[in-house]
Amino acid sequence: SQQGEEDPQALSIQEGENATMNCSYKTSINNLQWYRQNSGRGLVHLILIRSNEREKHSGRLRVTLDTSKKSSSLLITASRAADTASYFCATVETYSGAGSYQLTFGKGTKLSVIP
Amino acid sequence: ETGVTQTPRHLVMGMTNKKSLKCEQHLGHNAMYWYKQSAKKPLELMFVYNFKEQTENNSVPSRFSPECPNSSHLFLHLHTLQPEDSALYLCASSQDMTGYQPQHFGDGTRLSIL
Repeated sequence: SQQGEEDPQALSIQEGENATMNCSYKTSINNLQWYRQNSGRGLVHLILIRSNEREKHSGRLRVTLDTSKKSSSLLITASRAADTASYFCATVETYSGAGSYQLTFGKGTKLSVIP
Repeated sequence: ETGVTQTPRHLVMGMTNKKSLKCEQHLGHNAMYWYKQSAKKPLELMFVYNFKEQTENNSVPSRFSPECPNSSHLFLHLHTLQPEDSALYLCASSQDMTGYQPQHFGDGTRLSIL
């Protein structure tokens, strides 16, 4: 079942601008992860934020997490044409008993950065 | 290079054919996954293996049959597929199944069913 839902579905910006993508989810989570997928390629892990963290940075990426609102945002600063890709959030929920966890993905945001 | 290699990259098959998808990871990971990615749908988890043992089968039709001979290799055997099975099939691996390790994906096999 779908857990994360990204917004907007598509985003087009000029090179150098900032891009913000949002993710909402429905249940309690252990952590939330963001992935990028270039056209015709597999997903690449960008950043993981734990449920007890509120903000995390990695290079030009900034991720926030608001567990009270069940939402997260991914900010890409000073975007480049090479950032053109689809971006997915994925949540990790706790499974009772088994102690194993699965990633549940949203449908993604398609980002286009125009040179 | 992600360390996860999938072959073939593209596959066209008829509904009565039998084919197999292969995934190999060079990362020393213990968990491996098969996902299905269809247009305008979220990534769907199909199967999970941890230390070669299947831990999840998310109600996948029996025309998909996974095989994990060791921690580095994962196969998806296909037979009597339907047109709605056309999709990108992604393999992934992770160090463990705690949920705190990122998953590393291959570039997928684009499957088209005639």
